[in-house]
Amino acid sequence: EAQVTQNPRYLITVTGKKLTVTCSQNMNHEYMSWYRQDPGLGLRQIYYSMNVEVTDKGDVPEGYKVSRKEKRNFPLILESPSPNQTSLYFCASSLSAGAKTQYFGPGTRLLVL
Amino acid sequence: GNSVTQMEGPVTLSEEAFLTINCTYTATGYPSLFWYVQYPGEGLQLLLKATKADDKGSNKGFEATYRKETTSFHLEKGSVQVSDSAVYFCALSGNTNAGKSTFGDGTTLTVKP
Repeated sequence: EAQVTQNPRYLITVTGKKLTVTCSQNMNHEYMSWYRQDPGLGLRQIYYSMNVEVTDKGDVPEGYKVSRKEKRNFPLILESPSPNQTSLYFCASSLSAGAKTQYFGPGTRLLVL
Repeated sequence: GNSVTQMEGPVTLSEEAFLTINCTYTATGYPSLFWYVQYPGEGLQLLLKATKADDKGSNKGFEATYRKETTSFHLEKGSVQVSDSAVYFCALSGNTNAGKSTFGDGTTLTVKP
């Protein structure tokens, strides 16, 4: 089954404790992206990747890192999480950027205490 | 930069009512436009899209027409069902920077029997 998977689905952590949210797709998509969803703010793009080893900032990249060492995986790293990063995070992928449909993962709900 | 403005919600309708959710955008060049739907507890999924001016996207009885002269992409459905209750997001991907995606704040639709 074609899908985007994220792990973990739920995470409670404390301020400053490094964490990684994994994202994997099995559709051989070139483009991948991370978003955060907050009430009243819709989805905001954090980082995106046009292909392996090519990443770029979205609208809200502060406090996040990403890497794209292989095509199927695009982990999101929070090196020193803070409470304002409490949010619902979505990973998405598509064949390429622009006009192509994005396929979203199920989401990761993060609470930073 | 690019922006998407959606009709404020929430929207509550009776079954079989007519639905319109307004979406206007600001972008350079000729972006692709999308409507995504998010059912409770799930990730987003594509509802419909249009990639050039005057294109009409349609799916599951929903329609939206890409109007460049009014920079709009309003979502319509002639007769809503309870199962259409969800959050609807208007989004664009600009062709000047294909990797960046911009989403609206989302409109929550509740359909009552």
